[in-house]
This record gives sequence, structure tokens and C-alpha cells, in this order.
Amino acid sequence: GAVVSQHPSWVICKSGTSVKIECRSLDFQATTMFWYRQFPKQSLMLMATSNEGSKATYEQGVEKDKFLINHASLTLSTLTVTSAHPEDSSFYICSASSGGQTQYFGAGTRLSVL
Amino acid sequence: AQKITQTQPGMFVQEKEAVTLDCTYDTSDQSYGLFWYKQPSSGEMIFLIYQGSYDEQNATEGRYSLNFQKARKSANLVISASQLGDSAMYFCAIPGTSYGKLTFGQGTILTVHP
Repeated sequence: GAVVSQHPSWVICKSGTSVKIECRSLDFQATTMFWYRQFPKQSLMLMATSNEGSKATYEQGVEKDKFLINHASLTLSTLTVTSAHPEDSSFYICSASSGGQTQYFGAGTRLSVL
Repeated sequence: AQKITQTQPGMFVQEKEAVTLDCTYDTSDQSYGLFWYKQPSSGEMIFLIYQGSYDEQNATEGRYSLNFQKARKSANLVISASQLGDSAMYFCAIPGTSYGKLTFGQGTILTVHP
């Protein structure tokens, strides 16, 4: 149980385009989903927390207009990187929680912006 | 504020030997928990083990056990009988000030030698 699917696993895009990343909880209802960014060999940096049906809460320093988060259902959250630039290239990973403290993670998305 | 420290950037262990990964924490909460996650080179974060601060027995999950010493504020992960597949980055984490959030340590890269 507690499977989280994240798609796509790898995306390459041109500078200025937008990229959408999906995060789905497959066998449980995710009341809360989290989006992280991770640089090579570093820890996870929390970008935002989203609760189903309400606006996401962004961490300090994260641009809301650049990283759009939608959590429209109890099993799906999306992160859209708008007008992506090379500095947005990174590993993005989502996690989901059904209300407890344990977070279950997706496999991550490697974004490369050319 | 919660703080997690992993002081070992890298660790090496011989296959079939046991290894201990260090984690110290600081929290003002009376009730809290400690998590350990494994991140292989593929990127996904795999939940390994959890222990609550009021649990009397150290948590055990297969070859993983938590050496939880509240007085020293440490929650070390012990991996017994290391396998080549254990080579990965390991993170300990503690719930943050907002419910559901996790604060992660810097991570330890474990390399298992044959």
C-alpha cells in the first residue's frame, strides 16, 4: 500500500515553455501533498504544501507564479513550472500523506531546461 | 524550530557487515517522531522506519533498526548484514512546526563494498 506515482520521470524542454508534473496517490486518499526540489547530493527543499481543495502554502522564497500547484482531488496534485529557464533545471519530487505524519514519495521528475 | 543533523556525508561498509548512520535532532516538542528514508540513485524516496518519542522499544523493520536515545537526542539507523543494494543516500527527518511537514537532515551517502 501507500503508492505514489509521479509523471513524467524525465522531461527536457526549451527555455520559456511550461512543464506540468503530476503526482498521484494510487491506493489512498492524500489529504496533503508536498512538493520538494532537490539539487545533486543535497537534501530535499520543501517548496509548497497543498491540501485538497484549497490553495497551496508556499515556503519562503518560492515564487508562486513560477511554480503553480493544484490539488484538485484527493488523489492528484500537479506542479506546473511556468516559463521554465535553465536555472529551474532540477529534481522535483512529490510526497503524499493521508493525514498522518508519514509521507510517501513519488519517484521524482528530472527537469532539464535547454 | 526543529533541527536535524547528519554529520556523516559519506560512509563505507563491507558487504554483510553492519553499519550505523548517525542522526541528531533538536526539537521543543514533547511528542515527536523520527523517520528514516532511503534514496537510491534512481531518485525515489523509500520510507524505511519510524519511531515515536514515547515508544519504549526501539523500532525494527527487517534489517533496519533505530537506536533511539532521547537523552542524547539521537536516532541512529542501524543496517545489519549490509547488501550491495543498500548503497544509497539516507535521510533522517523529524516533523516540522507545521503539522505534516518534515524537516530533513543533510543526508549520508552509504556505499557498500563487495
